[in-house]
Amino acid sequence: SQTIHQWPATLVQPVGSPLSLECTVEGTSNPNLYWYRQAAGRGLQLLFYSVGIGQISSEVPQNLSASRPQDRQFILSSKKLLLSDSGFYLCASPWTANTEAFFGQGTRLTVV
Amino acid sequence: GQNIDQPTEMTATEGAIVQINCTYQTSGFNGLFWYQQHAGEAPTFLSYNVLDGLEEKGRFSSFLSRSKGYSYLLLKELQMKDSASYLCAVTAGANNLFFGTGTRLTVIP
Repeated sequence: SQTIHQWPATLVQPVGSPLSLECTVEGTSNPNLYWYRQAAGRGLQLLFYSVGIGQISSEVPQNLSASRPQDRQFILSSKKLLLSDSGFYLCASPWTANTEAFFGQGTRLTVV
Repeated sequence: GQNIDQPTEMTATEGAIVQINCTYQTSGFNGLFWYQQHAGEAPTFLSYNVLDGLEEKGRFSSFLSRSKGYSYLLLKELQMKDSASYLCAVTAGANNLFFGTGTRLTVIP
């Protein structure tokens, strides 16, 4: 079975600082990868998904970007964080018609 | 586009039965997931419905009606540990997995 590693678990960053969250997948190859954000008390908002190396689709305009440098690596970045970027970030993969999505343990980001 | 609706909050008594509803409007619908999420943790998989009907898994059951764009999650013999958020998520097209805002369930003694 597959495992998703996501780090760090918690992060406190000042406004205007850069961000890099990393997600790696084990136990599968060429997975679809997703980044979600969950604001406090809210549902999961799909930010980006990737179907392969260098292929990124953005669901919502925002202050964030994503990259897929390797098959099993998905990175969420920002050049300058905003207060509104605070939230719980989840990496997920894969989803197919017959299996559930697997999630990393999440990163709690607080922008101060 | 897609639209997924769930009640924001529900309260139920320990030992009772609770039904959490989810309605959706989406193009290219494939199936519907239910996830449980405790505060500060990643969601955990509960069920996946593709065909109409009821799927039962122990104390948890999930129902889907594709023609009505409707699903529910049924929790029986509620326990205090069932207090959590329950997320409805629909899969559409080849790569899309969209979540509702979740229903926060509080189980009281």
